[in-house]
Amino acid sequence: SQELEQSPQSLIVQEGKNLTINCTSSKTLYGLYWYKQKYGEGLIFLMMLQKGGEEKSHEKITAKLDEKKQQSSLHITASQPSHAGIYLCGAASGGGADGLTFGKGTHLIIQP
Amino acid sequence: DGGITQSPKYLFRKEGQNVTLSCEQNLNHDAMYWYRQDPGQGLRLIYYSQIVNDFQKGDIAEGYSVSREKKESFPLTVTSAQKNPTAFYLCASSIVAGYSGNTIYFGEGSWLTVV
Repeated sequence: SQELEQSPQSLIVQEGKNLTINCTSSKTLYGLYWYKQKYGEGLIFLMMLQKGGEEKSHEKITAKLDEKKQQSSLHITASQPSHAGIYLCGAASGGGADGLTFGKGTHLIIQP
Repeated sequence: DGGITQSPKYLFRKEGQNVTLSCEQNLNHDAMYWYRQDPGQGLRLIYYSQIVNDFQKGDIAEGYSVSREKKESFPLTVTSAQKNPTAFYLCASSIVAGYSGNTIYFGEGSWLTVV
């Protein structure tokens, strides 16, 4: 089965600084999803990447999928308190019918 | 508003009881999923359903049961056979199954505690 390794597990960043979260797969990624979660709440969809080398941005968050489709990064520019939460990467299997496999998440804390 | 509604938000279960978590979606999605989230372990797939009257076991199905009698509903029963049911449960749906480009949307989750 596919395993996703997220790093770091937790991250404390001063407000206004940039940060990067990584997600590495043991197998080729057919679809890589990034979600954000506030503790005890549902997951909010951020972005999905499918093609090697693909890059997507939404507001101050940019996600990239490497050419080999085994690693993705999530970059936040000029972090704000609203960016605090748990970031999860999820990967689809080749068919995608059985849902997503998730990493364990990265806890992001923004210090004022 | 369109979305996925989970209820109840908080549920307490006594030892030996079965409890059912509700999940309703009005997104007209074919596929629905149940995940369990424990601290430090991420999300793990319990059951999923690609279409009405059909469902498949996920990675941790033991002690759980589901039904899919209607397209919009996918209830999860946590049975007394589940040894460690205290967790946060998340329901999700996607427009169709079998395509890795689908976005999977999540409900707000339900907390289950055994007392």
